[in-house]
Amino acid sequence: DAGVTQSPTHLIKTRGQQVTLRCSPISGHKSVSWYQQVLGQGPQFIFQYYEKEERGRGNFPDRFSARQFPNYSSELNVNALLLGDSALYLCASSLGAGKLSYEQYFGPGTRLTVT
Amino acid sequence: KNEVEQSPQNLTAQEGEFITINCSYSVGISALHWLQQHPGGGIVSLFMLSSGKKKHGRLIATINIQEKHSSLHITASHPRDSAVYICAAMYSGGGADGLTFGKGTHLIIQP
Repeated sequence: DAGVTQSPTHLIKTRGQQVTLRCSPISGHKSVSWYQQVLGQGPQFIFQYYEKEERGRGNFPDRFSARQFPNYSSELNVNALLLGDSALYLCASSLGAGKLSYEQYFGPGTRLTVT
Repeated sequence: KNEVEQSPQNLTAQEGEFITINCSYSVGISALHWLQQHPGGGIVSLFMLSSGKKKHGRLIATINIQEKHSSLHITASHPRDSAVYICAAMYSGGGADGLTFGKGTHLIIQP
């Protein structure tokens, strides 16, 4: 079975531009979470989606948005890019979401560079 | 504030040594995850535990709920174990449902 896939692998954008990152979860997984990992730091939670609804949001500005499609794939959008948005963006899928903790399976990440 | 603290930040050891990485967290977690990240970014889930102890090959993870502390042990360490090991907590309170990560332990095993 295929694992979590993300596209693109690498991306270079300039300040002020907009970017869309994509994630396909493991087959059968209904939850997708997005994380930002700045170089040298641990990942930071951005969003969780479950059954196409937003279940959780981390401490990120409104420039960050996401959605989940009927096939459970997800997109993360970032508007008005800043230099500080340069990071590795990780997607993780899990069977479910909520108060119980489900094992999360991570994709390879998209490395975004903003110049 | 829900936080996860890891120690040490960096660890260099000789092949064959017993390795311990520590993690402490705040109250109210539903589970504690140990993850491994190799250069290039890929993250692999090693363990998810809410009580007791789990073992997989040379890796052992333990959690002490009363002390809010977890450890990851590597027995008979090998250079291929060199990676960043990250502890992450799923807090069961209100708010975001995502994982809260520690800053990671950069482990180097020298031959």
